[in-house]
Amino acid sequence: DAGVIQSPRHEVTEMGQEVTLRCKPISGHNSLFWYRQTMMRGLELLIYFNNNVPIDDSGMPEDRFSAKMPNASFSTLKIQPSEPRDSAVYFCASSSRLVGRDFGPGTRLTVL
Amino acid sequence: AQTVTQSQPEMSVQEAETVTLSCTYDTSENNYYLFWYKQPPSRQMILVIRQEAYKQQNATENRFSVNFQKAAKSFSLKISDSQLGDTAMYFCALRGGGATNKLIFGTGTLLAVQP
Repeated sequence: DAGVIQSPRHEVTEMGQEVTLRCKPISGHNSLFWYRQTMMRGLELLIYFNNNVPIDDSGMPEDRFSAKMPNASFSTLKIQPSEPRDSAVYFCASSSRLVGRDFGPGTRLTVL
Repeated sequence: AQTVTQSQPEMSVQEAETVTLSCTYDTSENNYYLFWYKQPPSRQMILVIRQEAYKQQNATENRFSVNFQKAAKSFSLKISDSQLGDTAMYFCALRGGGATNKLIFGTGTLLAVQP
């Protein structure tokens, strides 16, 4: 199993641009999570899906952030327009109820 | 509300020695799960060990073991025979046992293993 796959691994963009982060969860996992990690705020849960349905998006910072999961094997996190304060490492993780959470390698986003 | 507290921002240990990282938590649930994750400089989040709250026996994974004190809501991680590769940020995490499936993280402890 390749584990959770995220792309891109690094993204540098300019303020105001749209950013799309992608995630492929582990096959068979029915829950998918998006986290953001910064020095100031640590690891924050942004949103999570169960069986492709968004369950809790209370961690999404504002309307500039949106997430979708069109099928069991793919999810996106979009920021439009991006701002410098969005610079962080964004992790995708997946799990089933029987196992611990598996994290992807993360996407390091830098917004200039 | 569920909370996880790690009161040690940084710790240091000599290679081959033993170190204990502290974690306390708060939850109103009776059934829940606790985890320790390791994040080395590569940024990858790696599950180190997990504990189900209904199990009294402390979990052990090779050199890693926990001291789970349910009444005190304490969940410390002991690393024996520390190795240079153990240098990393360690996060304690709590997941409720219900359908919510949310994982709450502490702020982390940066462990440095010295040669």
